[in-house]
Amino acid sequence: SQQGEEDPQALSIQEGENATMNCSYKTSINNLQWYRQNSGRGLVHLILIRSNEREKHSGRLRVTLDTSKKSSSLLITASRAADTASYFCATDNYGQNFVFGPGTRLSVLP
Amino acid sequence: DAGITQSPRHKVTETGTPVTLRCHQTENHRYMYWYRQDPGHGLRLIHYSYGVKDTDKGEVSDGYSVSRSKTEDFLLTLESATSSQTSVYFCAISGASSYNEQFFGPGTRLTVL
Repeated sequence: SQQGEEDPQALSIQEGENATMNCSYKTSINNLQWYRQNSGRGLVHLILIRSNEREKHSGRLRVTLDTSKKSSSLLITASRAADTASYFCATDNYGQNFVFGPGTRLSVLP
Repeated sequence: DAGITQSPRHKVTETGTPVTLRCHQTENHRYMYWYRQDPGHGLRLIHYSYGVKDTDKGEVSDGYSVSRSKTEDFLLTLESATSSQTSVYFCAISGASSYNEQFFGPGTRLTVL
């Protein structure tokens, strides 16, 4: 069963706009990670947020975590065409390996 | 790709034939993983290893076996390939903890006819 589920499944925006993706999960977690996958490539780690953290920033990325709602969001500000990719959240639930959601496909149009 | 290679990168095989995929790392990381990626499913864990000769099953291990005789190599074997095993296979590694970030290889596209 999938622990993380991203929403929306697909998102199209114009260059310069912000992109927000959400991840919901079902059980308690130790931490949550976001990954990016460019077409035909492996996944690349973006950011990790621990269960006792509420917000984290890395460059143009902002991740929030709401453990009471069992959800996380990834915000990409001032998006660029190069941000076009699929984005995955991965959750662990204390003692098990990470479980990846099906991903959000982001298209940034020039 | 963080010192991870996968071979072969592409393979087409017939149903019922054995197939072995290789993952090789130069990072000396303890943990190694095999995932498969299918449309609508994201990545699903097949098997993982937490040290030489130490392996365990993941979510979708049926029909797959693994071996790790050296730190740097993690082999995935399909004993008798089926069409349902047509997929893209990714190897990943992580360091001190299985909860650390994972570094992924470039993937192997396997087609079983």
